[in-house]
Amino acid sequence: SAVISQKPSRDICQRGTSLTIQCQVDSQVTMMFWYRQQPGQSLTLIATANQGSEATYESGFVIDKFPISRPNLTFSTLTVSNMSPEDSSIYLCSVGGAEMNTEAFFGQGTRLTVV
Amino acid sequence: GDSVTQMEGPVTLSEEAFLTINCTYTATGYPSLFWYVQYPGEGLQLLLKATKADDKGSNKGFEATYRKETTSFHLEKGSVQVSDSAVYFCALSVDRTGRRALTFGSGTRLQVQP
Repeated sequence: SAVISQKPSRDICQRGTSLTIQCQVDSQVTMMFWYRQQPGQSLTLIATANQGSEATYESGFVIDKFPISRPNLTFSTLTVSNMSPEDSSIYLCSVGGAEMNTEAFFGQGTRLTVV
Repeated sequence: GDSVTQMEGPVTLSEEAFLTINCTYTATGYPSLFWYVQYPGEGLQLLLKATKADDKGSNKGFEATYRKETTSFHLEKGSVQVSDSAVYFCALSVDRTGRRALTFGSGTRLQVQP
């Protein structure tokens, strides 16, 4: 299993500002995933963060808006840049789900409200 | 592309009632299938999984069978409890370029009344 610490747990931000979300895992993992859960909706994959290479973004998400860092095998950050109210969501970090059909583990999420 | 379709909620049941939450999927290749649960104020937790056709995943009284012929993975429980009130997500994982990210359904909120 994996224990994921994500912070902040919640924040209220002004539009036009940026917020960096941190994700710390208690073991080394190859890939980390960042998801967004908009109010009342399901989870959408933003990007996959691989250590030592650039993140891979899903359709509709771009690096300028959601820059990701992956400095080592236990840590990643997601920045939500130039925020607008439409960015109000829960952002989740996830690991696992790879190799031999292992389950995915999720952080508690960061509840972001942009005003 | 890959997709997961779940029945819409909320589903409201009385305690000890039988639960079915339908889930169907579209995927290339042979996906692994999962049910995740999100209790109020908590993160996502894996409830059960199945990795190949005809596998049955089970946990905490919940069951789901991987039906390849109908591309379904319906969640069932014979007798629900108030503590089962949560949002349930069906998900799949298909290996693509060496990574296994999850594709989620829209989620189904279950409310169990005493």
